[in-house]
Amino acid sequence: DQQVKQNSPSLSVQEGRISILNCDYTNSMFDYFLWYKKYPAEGPTFLISISSIKDKNEDGRFTVFLNKSAKHLSLHIVPSQPGDSAVYFCAASALIQGAQKLVFGQGTRLTINP
Amino acid sequence: DTGVSQNPRHKITKRGQNVTFRCDPISEHNRLYWYRQTLGQGPEFLTYFQNEAQLEKSRLLSDRFSAERPKGSFSTLEIQRTEQGDSAMYLCASRRLAGAQETQYFGPGTRLLVL
Repeated sequence: DQQVKQNSPSLSVQEGRISILNCDYTNSMFDYFLWYKKYPAEGPTFLISISSIKDKNEDGRFTVFLNKSAKHLSLHIVPSQPGDSAVYFCAASALIQGAQKLVFGQGTRLTINP
Repeated sequence: DTGVSQNPRHKITKRGQNVTFRCDPISEHNRLYWYRQTLGQGPEFLTYFQNEAQLEKSRLLSDRFSAERPKGSFSTLEIQRTEQGDSAMYLCASRRLAGAQETQYFGPGTRLLVL
């Protein structure tokens, strides 16, 4: 039962353009969402998060949008840079669950072409 | 703030051997989590600690796996009688307890290969 899904295993974008990574979830109890970036042989690095009480959060070139009715979130990167090439994971957690453990999607490999 | 550290970074072992990994969380982070990541998948929750208490274990954590956080600081994850299916990246994360929604910060992981 995959509660968090990233349906695009890979995405290729031209440098300078916008990268849009998508994520869908099924558990309506999720109330906190995060995006992590991962390089090979390293642990996930936190990028940006959003609470379910918001529909948008922005940090520099990164913006996360949350559509609760559609159970969908997206990460926009603009402008895309070669250093953004990595695997991106979305993750979700539920405050009602004491552990607040993260449930991850399968990841999307983003390649920025010069 | 030195971040979460994990040792060793890589471990190769033969099937049937025991292995132990260590995680040092960010200081003053009360919660410590262990995840496992296999190829092509996102990390999966294994267990977590609040200070020294282990509060939840996933079904993924068979009885060959044991985790400790004896003094509420560093944690160890031991796998006994390793199997080839245990080959994965083992990730540790920590977070503060203070806020309702706090970010988990991950270490670099320990990559285990069981031959």
